[in-house]
Amino acid sequence: ELKVEQNPLFLSMQEGKNYTIYCNYSTTSDRLYWYRQDPGKSLESLFVLLSNGAVKQEGRLMASLDTKARLSTLHITAAVHDLSATYFCAVDLGGNQFYFGTGTSLTVIP
Amino acid sequence: NAGVTQTPKFRVLKTGQSMTLLCAQDMNHEYMYWYRQDPGMGLRLIHYSVGEGTTAKGEVPDGYNVSRLKKQNFLLGLESAAPSQTSVYFCASQIGRFREQYFGPGTRLTVT
Repeated sequence: ELKVEQNPLFLSMQEGKNYTIYCNYSTTSDRLYWYRQDPGKSLESLFVLLSNGAVKQEGRLMASLDTKARLSTLHITAAVHDLSATYFCAVDLGGNQFYFGTGTSLTVIP
Repeated sequence: NAGVTQTPKFRVLKTGQSMTLLCAQDMNHEYMYWYRQDPGMGLRLIHYSVGEGTTAKGEVPDGYNVSRLKKQNFLLGLESAAPSQTSVYFCASQIGRFREQYFGPGTRLTVT
C-alpha cells in the first residue's frame, strides 16, 4: 500500500518569510502533482511533475521532485496572505491510481 | 465552459437509503474519477473510468457503484447508505495521462 506523507500538517508563517512543505511517498513513482484547496472549496491544480529532477515555478511557489529519494517539495518564497490554503500532493502509482497526502494547512499571518 | 459540475451540492440520507451523485464535464476528457474527502485526510479514490463504458475500482470502492454510459457523465451510486459514508465527494476529470485533474465543487453527504 502506498503511503503519502506530508509535513508539516499545519504551518503558520509570517508574511514575507520562506518555507518548504515536504511530501514523502513510500513506493516508486515518477509522477507527482500538487493541488491547492481553499476552505470549503474544490481543488485547483498547481504543478505536474513528471520526472526525476523536475522543477516547476509559478509566482511565489516552486515545486521539485526527487524520485530517488521519493520526495517532493513545495517551496514558498516571501509568503503573502493569499497563499493561505491547504496544499495536497498526489502520487500517480500508475494505472490511474492516485494517492493523496493528508494535506498541509498553511496560514500566512500579516 | 462549465468545467466539472456535480449534482447535488448537499444531501442528507438516512441509513439504508440509496442515492446517485452525478458528475458532468464538458471538456471532452477521457478520464474521470470519484474521490471522498474526510476530515484530516487527503482524498481517497473510490472508482475511476478511463473512457465511456469503462469503470474500475480505486482504493476504497466498497459500498459504491459507478457507471459511465456517456463520456461526459460519471455517476456514483450508494445502494444502502451507511454513516461511514458521510463525507465530501469530489469528482474529477483528466484529458489524458500525466495531466492535471480538474475537480468539481464537491457534494457534501451526511448519512444519519
